[in-house]
Parts: sequence; structure tokens; C-alpha cells
Amino acid sequence: DSGVTQTPKHLITATGQRVTLRCSPRSGDLSVYWYQQSLDQGLQFLIQYYNGEERAKGNILERFSAQQFPDLHSELNLSSLELGDSALYFCASSLSGAYGYTFGSGTRLTVV
Amino acid sequence: EDQVTQSPEALRLQEGESSSLNCSYTVSGLRGLFWYRQDPGKGPEFLFTLYSAGEEKEKERLKATLTKKESFLHITAPKPEDSATYLCAPGGSQGNLIFGKGTKLSVKP
Repeated sequence: DSGVTQTPKHLITATGQRVTLRCSPRSGDLSVYWYQQSLDQGLQFLIQYYNGEERAKGNILERFSAQQFPDLHSELNLSSLELGDSALYFCASSLSGAYGYTFGSGTRLTVV
Repeated sequence: EDQVTQSPEALRLQEGESSSLNCSYTVSGLRGLFWYRQDPGKGPEFLFTLYSAGEEKEKERLKATLTKKESFLHITAPKPEDSATYLCAPGGSQGNLIFGKGTKLSVKP
């Protein structure tokens, strides 16, 4: 157990739907990062939050959004889902980026 | 544009056969170079962070080294349990990690 908790582990939904993925960071970590990993693709950075504030954005689609709550857990919202959104979504947390990132076990999203 | 290239894409070794994995990068505002191990369907597991050219770090059968444009992960006398995908990730100027596609290592007994 890495200390980063992601729920749910698996999610199957239909095209056009909306889902919410949840991440609880490791105790004491203030930063949360979201990554997408598609089949045969590397991990793609989506977005970072630090202590409730958006800190950096990567290749995140407009249909996707995220937030970090006062208790530091984060949610990634994916809407108007398409088949191509099927992927593993990982959350990572860190106290400070320089000291390493701890990843959760991911949420596998399947859009049918 | 930030770029990370890992080679080879896949590597098959016999148990005990040492080898090296390569990570070439072009990243502006580099903030460390991270190595992770990823097993199928699992999250990446942190191995090493390197910060300056010439730095080396070791953990069991693994040793990571860093130059200004490359990093190497040396695997000495690997065992089947070392089979995994090894990911290289320079830290970018925004504070996020920029991942390569990884090297899939398979070690046969």
C-alpha cells in the first residue's frame, strides 16, 4: 500500500456519460497530480493541485476537470465520455515535487 | 518542447545477464530525474531520484546514473522478479513529471 488511495478501482460506463474519480493523497502530502495512461502510451500529465489551488495544467481536455478539497483529497471529473477516454487514470501525491511522487494503484476506466 | 526517449522499448534477458536501459531527455528547467518501476495494471513504484550530472544511486541489483542529457539504469545479475516496465521521468519546470514510454524488461529463469 503506497498510502495514496484511488477509488473506484474499475469503472465501466457508456459514451456520453460523466464519471468522477477520487484520490486521497498520502498523509502530509499537499500536492496531487493526475495522469492518464492509455494502452501502449506513456503516462500523460493532466493537472496538478497544491493545497487546494490549481498549480499546473498538462494535456487535459476541456471535458475534464478537477478540484482539490480542504481535506486535500482530489476528484477528477470526466464528462461527455468517448471511447478514446478508456485508460488507466493515476493520481500521485508529494509534499514537494523535489522529494518524489507516490502513485496510487489507479482507476481503470472503460467506456463502451 | 520537452521530450523523453527510452530505449530499448523491450528487453529480454536471461537470469544473471546484466544490461543497461537508456533514457535520453530534452527538458527545460529540469528538476530532477526520476526512475520508476511499473508492474502490469499497477501504479508506478518509485526507485530513484537523481539531481546532478555524475550522480549515481543504487538499490539492490539496480544502479542509476545521470549525465546532462541521459540517464542509465544498470541491472546487474537480474532475477525473474525484476521483470517489469521501467519508466524514466524528468521533472519539468511546472513541477510535473514527464514520462517516457518505458522499457519492458523480461527476465527468464
